[in-house]
Amino acid sequence: DTGVSQNPRHKITKRGQNVTFRCDPISEHNRLYWYRQTLGQGPEFLTYFQNEAQLEKSRLLSDRFSAERPKGSFSTLEIQRTEQGDSAMYLCASSLDLWATEAFFGQGTRLTVV
Amino acid sequence: SQQGEEDPQALSIQEGENATMNCSYKTSINNLQWYRQNSGRGLVHLILIRSNEREKHSGRLRVTLDTSKKSSSLLITASRAADTASYFCATDNRGSTLGRLYFGRGTQLTVWP
Repeated sequence: DTGVSQNPRHKITKRGQNVTFRCDPISEHNRLYWYRQTLGQGPEFLTYFQNEAQLEKSRLLSDRFSAERPKGSFSTLEIQRTEQGDSAMYLCASSLDLWATEAFFGQGTRLTVV
Repeated sequence: SQQGEEDPQALSIQEGENATMNCSYKTSINNLQWYRQNSGRGLVHLILIRSNEREKHSGRLRVTLDTSKKSSSLLITASRAADTASYFCATDNRGSTLGRLYFGRGTQLTVWP
């Protein structure tokens, strides 16, 4: 499968624990985005990478959240000291570095904080 | 914050009928994209329409864009039970980070066999 891959697909964690998600974008895509989606809502932007540089972070991304994209390939999103309000689907998308190009999404990681 | 707003929130039709979903947005855009999402899954890209385009077709899908009204519509013809999903419009806004998408809350489409 040459699409965007996310792992794990599901994660259940206790409140206060740290979790890390991984995203492997389509190989030739320079741009990588993280979104969060809660039940009944559309995805909301969290952060954006152009190659290895993190160029924008949403106000939704509190200081408990950190994202990296070493070497401009895969990306990780870590949430420290998880809270119940962090329960959501975390989606990764990638696209070419072109104007007006489509973004391709992974299957997402569903996080449940109990 | 969410940008687009889909209408209706839910749509229920019989197989073979056409389904029309509308999207309104608030600011100038570079392009508008439609996505489908099956329950609990990721988003599947359906179609992208640029701001200087008025209509695009892809198989059974037809998308229109009216930038003067800041609205778009997605028409699915001859619907099938497999089209049951949530449909989202997403805008790539002028002046915003290139490629950052603003989504609406989606239209839940149910197609009955």
